[in-house]
Amino acid sequence: GNSVTQMEGPVTLSEEAFLTINCTYTATGYPSLFWYVQYPGEGLQLLLKATKADDKGSNKGFEATYRKETTSFHLEKGSVQVSDSAVYFCALIRTGANSKLTFGKGITLSVRP
Amino acid sequence: DTEVTQTPKHLVMGMTNKKSLKCEQHMGHRAMYWYKQKAKKPPELMFVYSYEKLSINESVPSRFSPECPNSSLLNLHLHALQPEDSALYLCASSRGYGLDTIYFGEGSWLTVV
Repeated sequence: GNSVTQMEGPVTLSEEAFLTINCTYTATGYPSLFWYVQYPGEGLQLLLKATKADDKGSNKGFEATYRKETTSFHLEKGSVQVSDSAVYFCALIRTGANSKLTFGKGITLSVRP
Repeated sequence: DTEVTQTPKHLVMGMTNKKSLKCEQHMGHRAMYWYKQKAKKPPELMFVYSYEKLSINESVPSRFSPECPNSSLLNLHLHALQPEDSALYLCASSRGYGLDTIYFGEGSWLTVV
């Protein structure tokens, strides 16, 4: 079956530090990959996505590249801000009828001033 | 516009009460979802409606009763809930079930007392 593995958290960084959050996946076929972010007290927001190998998703300074050879979709940001403090979920969907969205466990990021 | 609107944002109910959660989207999406999320965990799928028909029920107890009055609206009727049902309930939608990106609402925070 499909699965998503995220690095263990939580992660605490100082403002302006470089961020990498690892995500690897197992899936049959050619899944679409997503990063969702959940700010405190809020719902899930789509942060970025990639639908095929070598695609790069980007938004709000965050980037992730769909690497089929390493089955990875690591999230990066060059300079984090306090406002980036949130829970980040990596997810995949194996595109096709009746496919479910599969989430990783999520990782909490705290950015200190 | 990628907005899914949920009401109410907060709900406190007793174990003998009957209440409903409401969800609306105007993106022309034909798949709508209910998820349940406990603190710091990924969302868990409860129900999927595709073209206004219930497609998936993930073995959810009958005290949760979904309804899809039309292609834009999704309700979750609640009756005789237990304290362990306290959670964030997320509505979501997508162009089709298993197709492309799933967009989430802000959620309804439910507390059962």
